[in-house]
Amino acid sequence: AQTVTQSQPEMSVQEAETVTLSCTYDTSESDYYLFWYKQPPSRQMILVIRQEAYKQQNATENRFSVNFQKAAKSFSLKISDSQLGDAAMYFCAYRRTIQGAQKLVFGQGTRLTINP
Amino acid sequence: SQTIHQWPATLVQPVGSPLSLECTVEGTSNPNLYWYRQAAGRGLQLLFYSVGIGQISSEVPQNLSASRPQDRQFILSSKKLLLSDSGFYLCAWSVFLGYTFGSGTRLTVV
Repeated sequence: AQTVTQSQPEMSVQEAETVTLSCTYDTSESDYYLFWYKQPPSRQMILVIRQEAYKQQNATENRFSVNFQKAAKSFSLKISDSQLGDAAMYFCAYRRTIQGAQKLVFGQGTRLTINP
Repeated sequence: SQTIHQWPATLVQPVGSPLSLECTVEGTSNPNLYWYRQAAGRGLQLLFYSVGIGQISSEVPQNLSASRPQDRQFILSSKKLLLSDSGFYLCAWSVFLGYTFGSGTRLTVV
């Protein structure tokens, strides 16, 4: 079964600095998608970034980028120029398709605090 | 544009009472629909998914059930709530690569 592990329950960073959140996963599949979701205090799940496993190029969305290491099954999120609004829970997720449905398997999450 | 509505936002129910949480999607046809639960301080766990009307698949054995009476309506139910059913419930839909979550329901069973 697929599993997703986030080994950092909490992280903190100074405003305007860079922080990296770690994620590892376990799968025997070769074609899949990986995601980072942000959950602010409102608890709304917000998609931050998506990576297709067949793409070697790391995904980037403005200040957010990933380091995708397929062989190592690692998928870390880098947040550059951290802002106060980045404070939230961050979840790494693995998506697999079974019987036409796209199922997400989530890690336990990392709580990110931004210090002004 | 596609939107997803989920209600109520919060709910406090006594043990043994029934439950009905509703989720509706607008702006898309034949979406895949999902119910996830999030325990305090944890990630989300998939409970049910549906790829069409009347088609329900369960991921984990539990005290809950799901139904999809219409293409864009997904309902989470229980006949008798347990204390362990407390949590944050999120409805979601997916079409191709898109995956969108509702705003969630915080359920407290007392």
